[in-house]
Amino acid sequence: GAVVSQHPSWVICKSGTSVKIECRSLDFQATTMFWYRQFPKQSLMLMATSNEGSKATYEQGVEKDKFLINHASLTLSTLTVTSAHPEDSSFYICSARDTYGQYYTFGSGTRLTVV
Amino acid sequence: LAKTTQPISMDSYEGQEVNITCSHNNIATNDYITWYQQFPSQGPRFIIQGYKTKVTNEVASLFIPADRKSSTLSLPRVSLSDTAVYYCLVPSSGGSYIPTFGRGTSLIVHP
Repeated sequence: GAVVSQHPSWVICKSGTSVKIECRSLDFQATTMFWYRQFPKQSLMLMATSNEGSKATYEQGVEKDKFLINHASLTLSTLTVTSAHPEDSSFYICSARDTYGQYYTFGSGTRLTVV
Repeated sequence: LAKTTQPISMDSYEGQEVNITCSHNNIATNDYITWYQQFPSQGPRFIIQGYKTKVTNEVASLFIPADRKSSTLSLPRVSLSDTAVYYCLVPSSGGSYIPTFGRGTSLIVHP
């Protein structure tokens, strides 16, 4: 079945630095990918929809200048957390649905810790 | 946007059958219903998907009544490793399929 690879699985960074998270569709092309954030014991919260070749669509309350999304190819979307602060510490998950699929495949997630 | 409602938590014992029901009253005609399982610090994993009536695979069954306003995930003979959070997903937003999650059901399987 469809596989979505997400890297890194965990990252620790200093406050004020930027961190990039990659999401790749390994065996299918994904024109649309989704980025989520999940805090402990909470559900996945949709942050943005990433569209190949165009600007991402951000959910209300998500700062687009802080969470930069780039979807430059049909198999890769990246999320960059800029000027990270401790409150950005969370579990970030990406998802994609291939053109012919009926369901969404999720990456394994990235645990971001900002110290 | 099709909103889903599930019980927040459920408890069961090894070997029992577990049924988790999800309400999705405003499901759209073209929407499929998909269930996912999530373990701590992992991404959601696909379990089963259906459109109507009954679907069965090697790990679960999915029951969908004729009005499709709810669905029930059935896990036969659960084990400790089935302890996880289960989400039903009905993505729809005016034709743009956006997968938005509800709160999910935390299932705890006891020995």
